[in-house]
Amino acid sequence: DIVLTQSPASLAVSLGQRATISCRASQSVSTSSYSYMHWYQQKPGQPPKLLIKYASNLESGVPARFSGSGSGTDFTLNIHPVEEEDTATYYCQHSWEIPPWTFGGGTKLEIK
Amino acid sequence: QVQLKESGPGLVAPSQSLSITCTVSGFSLTSYGVSWVRQPPGKGLEWLGVIWGDGSTNYHSALISRLSISKDNSKSQVFLKLNSLQTDDTATYYCAKGAYYGNYIDYWGQGTTLTVSS
Repeated sequence: DIVLTQSPASLAVSLGQRATISCRASQSVSTSSYSYMHWYQQKPGQPPKLLIKYASNLESGVPARFSGSGSGTDFTLNIHPVEEEDTATYYCQHSWEIPPWTFGGGTKLEIK
Repeated sequence: QVQLKESGPGLVAPSQSLSITCTVSGFSLTSYGVSWVRQPPGKGLEWLGVIWGDGSTNYHSALISRLSISKDNSKSQVFLKLNSLQTDDTATYYCAKGAYYGNYIDYWGQGTTLTVSS
């Protein structure tokens, strides 16, 4: 099974600054055309919400301050400028080939 | 619009079995996969398994001996059954729709909470 390691586990970012979250996979989840890594946001008491698909493609309706990058085994979610409503836990998940499609351990973001 | 709604028993005794129903609308179960994901209280997300449009399934390797996913296309329902429950199966259980390409999850149910306790 592919293991996804997210870092940091938590971070506090000042309003208007940049938040950067990393996700490292135990093996490549990319082809020459696509990276099968996706990012979700979860607020307390709610189900997760898709933010970014295929590493860097913003889901419809998601604010442009969210962006994703990376390929192979290393991926990054950036939020800039952070807003108070971005307080949430963020998860990466891969969908490489045959399941299981594991999630990263999550990163809890606090806005200062 | 796409909707998924889980319904489950809420409380189950240890060693018993769990059955949860996911009722969907706005898409056809013959065309899209549906995954099950759970989240223990205060912890992260755990992918459990998926049932594909053709009815085939894939399961988390750690649960493969206890987990079964099935569906009734005509009723737009997907079923999760988990046997031999333990206290660490206590979690919120979500059903979620997979995208047609790429298999990322594009829609989630609100989840149903399960407590395993005597």
